[in-house]
Amino acid sequence: GAVVSQHPSWVICKSGTSVKIECRSLDFQATTMFWYRQFPKQSLMLMATSNEGSKATYEQGVEKDKFLINHASLTLSTLTVTSAHPEDSSFYICSALLPGAYTFGSGTRLTVV
Amino acid sequence: AQSVTQLGSHVSVSEGALVLLRCNYSSSVPPYLFWYVQYPNQGLQLLLKYTSAATLVKGINGFEAEFKKSETSFHLTKPSAHMSDAAEYFCAVSGGFSGGYNKLIFGAGTRLAVHP
Repeated sequence: GAVVSQHPSWVICKSGTSVKIECRSLDFQATTMFWYRQFPKQSLMLMATSNEGSKATYEQGVEKDKFLINHASLTLSTLTVTSAHPEDSSFYICSALLPGAYTFGSGTRLTVV
Repeated sequence: AQSVTQLGSHVSVSEGALVLLRCNYSSSVPPYLFWYVQYPNQGLQLLLKYTSAATLVKGINGFEAEFKKSETSFHLTKPSAHMSDAAEYFCAVSGGFSGGYNKLIFGAGTRLAVHP
């Protein structure tokens, strides 16, 4: 089946630095990808919808200047957490929209110290 | 807009007992409904989905769910729980795979515990 590769699976960074998370579709073209955030023992909250070649659409309350999303090709979407702070520590998951399915990456555990 | 309510943040059953996880949805368009399972520190695995075909949907690992439009429900069941079923379960809704309602919105989740 279709596979979405998300990298890195975990990252620790210092407060104030930026971190980039990649979401790559391995065997299909994904026009649309979604980015979610999950706090411990909570649900997945949709952050933004990423469409290839256009600006991402952010959900209400999500800071677009802090969470930069780029979807420059049909196989790659990236999420950059800029000037990260401890409260940005979370589990981030991407999802690619395919014909008939949403396919999820394995997630990235971000810890900001 | 779409939303999902999962009744019961924690459900505990005995091994071999019936599993029933409740999900009610709200949608301004005909819904597509999904159940996912998540094990600790892992991604999501699709259990089953309803996409406007048969209302009784069978999924993996013996799970099934029934779409009831009159009740706006999509409850997940399994006749006999196994210890390996212990995990977090999420119900999700979208308005389809294309168009303006393709965002997948998740419920709060239900943690299933299975005891011997």
